[in-house]
Formats: sequence, C-alpha cells, structure tokens
Amino acid sequence: DIVMTQSPDSLAVSLGERATINCKSSQSVLYSSNNKNYLGWYQQKPGQPPKLLIYWASTRESGVPDRFSGSGSGTDFTLTISSLQAEDVAVYYCQQYYSTALTFGGGTKVEI
Amino acid sequence: QLQLQESGPGLVKPSETLSLTCTVSGGSISSSSYYWGWIRQPPGKGLEWIGSIFYSGSTYYNPSLKSRVTISVDTSKNQFSLKLNSVTAADTAVYYCARHRYDGNDSPYYFDYWGQGTLVTVSS
Repeated sequence: DIVMTQSPDSLAVSLGERATINCKSSQSVLYSSNNKNYLGWYQQKPGQPPKLLIYWASTRESGVPDRFSGSGSGTDFTLTISSLQAEDVAVYYCQQYYSTALTFGGGTKVEI
Repeated sequence: QLQLQESGPGLVKPSETLSLTCTVSGGSISSSSYYWGWIRQPPGKGLEWIGSIFYSGSTYYNPSLKSRVTISVDTSKNQFSLKLNSVTAADTAVYYCARHRYDGNDSPYYFDYWGQGTLVTVSS
C-alpha cells in the first residue's frame, strides 16, 4: 500500500494568515504517461462528511474558494489556505488514487 | 443535485454481518463516469477506504478488508450495498457512501459526492 503521511497533525493559525499542510506519499503518485499526480485533498468539518477541495494535486473543485490551493509533485504535496477564515476550521485529508488500494493521510486539524 | 443516503442497522453484534445500503438520487448509478464507494471513519479517527463498485459489478477492495467485504450494486433501485462479515468492536465507525470519479481508463479516482454517513456500533 502507498502510505500517506501528513504534517503537522494540527496547527493553529490566526485569521487572515496562511495555513500550510503537507502530505508525503511513500512512493510517487505521478503517472508518467499523462504527467498527472493522483492526489486529492478533502476538508471535513465536525459532524459532516468530507468535502472534495482539490484533485490532480492542484485542480480546485467547482465552488471551492480560491484561497485554497494545492501544489507539489511526485511524493511531496502541499495544501495552502492563503488567508484563513473562521469557516476553514476543519480537519484536512489527502488521498492518493495512483494505486487501486486507495489510501488517505491521517489528517491535519486546523484551528484558529 | 446528486444525493447519497446510507441506511442500515446502527447496532451489530460481534461476529455477525454488517449490512448497509446506499441509495443514490438525482443521478443514475449506471453512469460510465463513476464508481461508487464505501469509506469508514472510527470515532475520532481518520478515513479508511473499504471498496468501490462500477454499475457493471466490477469491484475494487481494500486489501486489508477484502476477505470480509462484499460490495454489490442494484441498478434497478439505484442502490449499492456493503456487507462486512465477522465484525468486531474495531469495525465500529461512521460509514460513508460516496461517488467515485472515473474516466474509463484507469482505476477510480477521487470522491466528489458523499453521503452524510451512518454510525454503526459493534457491541453485544
């Protein structure tokens, strides 16, 4: 299985400041034939299901605010919230779909 | 607007079989663009993918659960189902069903629509 490791486990960020979440895969999730990184990011608020934010490592899902951005390639990826809003308090997960055995990272809790 | 709704018993005894159904509304389960998946989340913990199914019946399972899991689809009812046998307390979790994006070339990708989830507790 591809192991997804997120860091930090939690972080506290002031309103309007930048939040950076890291995700590292145990092997590359870059598919050479199409040059796509098979990596997604989700946001989960308390008592709610996860919500897709980013796919193909950097493509924002429709309706997701542009303060959310994804970057990285190969084994190292980052989700950035450029200016944290109160409604962004949540747990964030990365997920690889390079392997047929899909795996998620352990989650990063973002607080104010 | 696509909606997914999980249903099934909230309490299952150890060693028995957990059975859940996901009903899809606002869209067809028979689309060639999607797989349909099950994901679970133990209380206070992270997400674990269980398995996914295409409308034709093609499946992918988490290797760690494969021996205990069966996912099936009923296109006439626009539903897909999960059976997990020989459950223990470790299977206590919120179980989500979700739509799984797919382009027909590779295995399925990311989850773009989720149900609200249903808590299943394994206890005698």
